[in-house]
Amino acid sequence: DAGITQSPRHKVTETGTPVTLRCHQTENHRYMYWYRQDPGHGLRLIHYSYGVKDTDKGEVSDGYSVSRSKTEDFLLTLESATSSQTSVYFCAISIGGTVYGYTFGSGTRLTVV
Amino acid sequence: TQLLEQSPQFLSIQEGENLTVYCNSSSVFSSLQWYRQEPGEGPVLLVTVVTGGEVKKLKRLTFQFGDARKDSSLHITAAQPGDTGLYLCAGEKGSGNTGKLIFGQGTTLQVKP
Repeated sequence: DAGITQSPRHKVTETGTPVTLRCHQTENHRYMYWYRQDPGHGLRLIHYSYGVKDTDKGEVSDGYSVSRSKTEDFLLTLESATSSQTSVYFCAISIGGTVYGYTFGSGTRLTVV
Repeated sequence: TQLLEQSPQFLSIQEGENLTVYCNSSSVFSSLQWYRQEPGEGPVLLVTVVTGGEVKKLKRLTFQFGDARKDSSLHITAAQPGDTGLYLCAGEKGSGNTGKLIFGQGTTLQVKP
C-alpha cells in the first residue's frame, strides 16, 4: 500500500458546523489532492497542494478550504457544512517515478444532516 | 462541466462474455488513466495511456487511446465475477503528474457467475 490514510472514515455532522478531514501520507510526496465523488459526476477536484503552504483551487472549491503545514498532512475543512457537501471525499498522491497516475486513500464518507 | 463521457454507465453480463467501455471527449488529454474501484475503497490505477493510438494489455483487459488523444476504450475478454466493480476513466491535461484529472461518470460492471 502507498501509505496514504484518511480520517475519519465516516462522519455525520449537522448543517452549519465546521468539519475537518485529514489526509496523511508516508511517501514524502510534494503533491497532494482532494477530490469528492458523487453519483453521476465521477470524481471532481476540490483543492490541491504542491508543497507545504502551497495550495490552489480545483474545479469545485467553493465552501472548502485546505491547509498544508507539514509535507505529510493535507487537511480539508468545510467551514460551515451544507447538505450539498454530503459526499465521499478522497485524498490522492501521485504514484511517482515514470508512472502517470495516482494513489487514492480509502475515502471519508461525510453526511451532512 | 463534464468533459469526459463514459458509456455505458451500467453493464450486467454473464461470466465469459466480452465487453467494451468507452470514454469520449472533445478535449485533448496528455494521458488517459483507467481506474477500478471497489465499494468502500478508493480508485486503484489499472493503466495509463499517453500516446495517440497506444494499446496496452493487462491480462484479459485491453486499453486503447484514440489517435487524437480525445477518447479511450477498455475491452474485457471473457469476463469473470472478479471483474465486477466500478471502472473510471480519467483524463489529465498538462505535462507530468498535475493531479488535475477529469473523470468520467464511471461504469458499474456486474459479472454474474
